[in-house]
Amino acid sequence: KNEVEQSPQNLTAQEGEFITINCSYSVGISALHWLQQHPGGGIVSLFMLSSGKKKHGRLIATINIQEKHSSLHITASHPRDSAVYICAVSWGDDKIIFGKGTRLHILP
Amino acid sequence: NAGVTQTPKFQVLKTGQSMTLQCAQDMNHNSMYWYRQDPGMGLRLIYYSASEGTTDKGEVPNGYNVSRLNKREFSLRLESAAPSQTSVYFCASSLLWGGSNEQFFGPGTRLTVL
Repeated sequence: KNEVEQSPQNLTAQEGEFITINCSYSVGISALHWLQQHPGGGIVSLFMLSSGKKKHGRLIATINIQEKHSSLHITASHPRDSAVYICAVSWGDDKIIFGKGTRLHILP
Repeated sequence: NAGVTQTPKFQVLKTGQSMTLQCAQDMNHNSMYWYRQDPGMGLRLIYYSASEGTTDKGEVPNGYNVSRLNKREFSLRLESAAPSQTSVYFCASSLLWGGSNEQFFGPGTRLTVL
């Protein structure tokens, strides 16, 4: 069974700081997802990747298949980035396992 | 396009009552999912429908039933609600079945069972 671990669980930072959220998993995967859950509860898919790096605006996601590790970076963080960031992985029969999330709070 | 819609947004039930959560998507997706989200835990899959006409159990199916009414609609039924089913329920859809497909989520239903 795959295990998904995210760190940190909670992160508070000042506006403008560079943010890194980490995700580790235990078994080889077919894809890794990063999702964002805003305080209102809605969940939005940010990235899906199986290798390398993807960038969208101020968000960058990287994955290291050999180390079974992914990072989500936010450059020039802003209070509107405050949300829960969720890592999820798929493998085997293609079901998805979700991490518990990282709660990010950006102070103005 | 509305994407994935869910009704109701909030619901309070007494133990033993039944209810159906409704989900619909207008993206012509083949696969649909029901998840529950509990404090301190990741989203957990209750049931899924890989394609119209099929449904399968996920990680936590006990106490629930589902119906894939047509390609657009996927409902979740609690026949006899229990306090352990207090949770936030999310419906999601994807173009095709499988974890390598992006999932689109509904706004969620917050259910409290007293």
